[in-house]
Amino acid sequence: AQRVTQPEKLLSVFKGAPVELKCNYSYSGSPELFWYVQYSRQRLQLLLRHISRESIKGFTADLNKGETSFHLKKPFAQEEDSAMYYCALETSGSRLTFGEGTQLTVNP
Amino acid sequence: GAGVSQTPSNKVTEKGKYVELRCDPISGHTALYWYRQSLGQGPEFLIYFQGTGAADDSGLPNDRFFAVRPEGSVSTLKIQRTERGDSAVYLCASSAGTGGQETQYFGPGTRLLVL
Repeated sequence: AQRVTQPEKLLSVFKGAPVELKCNYSYSGSPELFWYVQYSRQRLQLLLRHISRESIKGFTADLNKGETSFHLKKPFAQEEDSAMYYCALETSGSRLTFGEGTQLTVNP
Repeated sequence: GAGVSQTPSNKVTEKGKYVELRCDPISGHTALYWYRQSLGQGPEFLIYFQGTGAADDSGLPNDRFFAVRPEGSVSTLKIQRTERGDSAVYLCASSAGTGGQETQYFGPGTRLLVL
């Protein structure tokens, strides 16, 4: 069965510091992976997807099939990056399996 | 344009009652999804529709849960004989199609509390 693990429920960094949110997955098929973000009092929204290999708001994520990981990284965190981040795996029929989420706090 | 909307935003009910939660997807989106998010957890898949038909309902926890999308647009999630464990935020999402290139756009959710 598919599974997404985000080992850190809480992550706190200072503004300007690098940040890495970890995501590991378990899936027997070819994975499609996403990062979703939920800012305070806003709805869940897509941040980036691995298939696009894009950088959004300075964030990047590389799919490592050998380590079954899709960690989210940003070299210089900003206060406005404070939010809840969810890693998600798309399986059959486009259903998404989410991790439990990591609450990122960027301190001034 | 308008995003995905959900009504009501909050619903308080008593154990054993029946509730209906409504989702209005983005106009033209053929795929519609329901997820449930319990406190401290990520969203959990319930069911998804492609057009009017339920393409995958394997996430529905039991037969008290049922969802319809009769005209391929608005969807209603129905919960019979509610239990306290049903308390959660119910999220709806829609997408223009299916597959890794399609983005699921989420609604604000309905917060259900069963007393």
